[in-house]
Amino acid sequence: GAVVSQHPSRVICKSGTSVKIECRSLDFQATTMFWYRQFPKQSLMLMATSNEGSKATYEQGVEKDKFLINHASLTLSTLTVTSAHPEDSSFYICSATGTHSSGNTIYFGEGSWLTVV
Amino acid sequence: TQLLEQSPQFLSIQEGENLTVYCNSSSVFSSLQWYRQEPGEGPVLLVTVVTGGEVKKLKRLTFQFGDARKDSSLHITAAQPGDTGLYLCAGGGTTDSWGKFQFGAGTQVVVTP
Repeated sequence: GAVVSQHPSRVICKSGTSVKIECRSLDFQATTMFWYRQFPKQSLMLMATSNEGSKATYEQGVEKDKFLINHASLTLSTLTVTSAHPEDSSFYICSATGTHSSGNTIYFGEGSWLTVV
Repeated sequence: TQLLEQSPQFLSIQEGENLTVYCNSSSVFSSLQWYRQEPGEGPVLLVTVVTGGEVKKLKRLTFQFGDARKDSSLHITAAQPGDTGLYLCAGGGTTDSWGKFQFGAGTQVVVTP
């Protein structure tokens, strides 16, 4: 079963509004979580690295004020897309790493489809 | 700038045929991972290779990491329709940034019955 869960799996929002995507580690403590964005028929592009209890580190070209990341606990990180626009429509995927029963490994969530209309 | 170049971008073969997907970079990676992704889902890890020259086998899949840790290949023997998917290589995962990966553009594999 999934060890990293994302919610919602699909969301449609109006242009100008904000939307929050959650990434949860289900049975391990995720010290670090990563957020990726994937456009149709393209690869995953790393947006930011989120460490529990500290500010996220954003990749070059990613607007930190637009993509707010919060990692307040060892099992939850959230990505909030603020003032969303149609060009923000994409597949957002998180991954988490920490000490799982199978060792220190990394797991990806199922992804969240965001459509901005 | 794509640090990892995958080739080919698209591969369509008949069931039972063999295929090889390549992942090349000018950078040295501490580790390299291969994933398979289905449409609308997150990527699923197939293998991690960390040692130059390493070869790993997973049933009909054979993964090789180049001696210089700059390139890798994935070979599928006797492909089946269930092997259809987007194959992604991802490099990175140093001690200081474990879990932080740069992905290749992917190779879309289609295996027809």
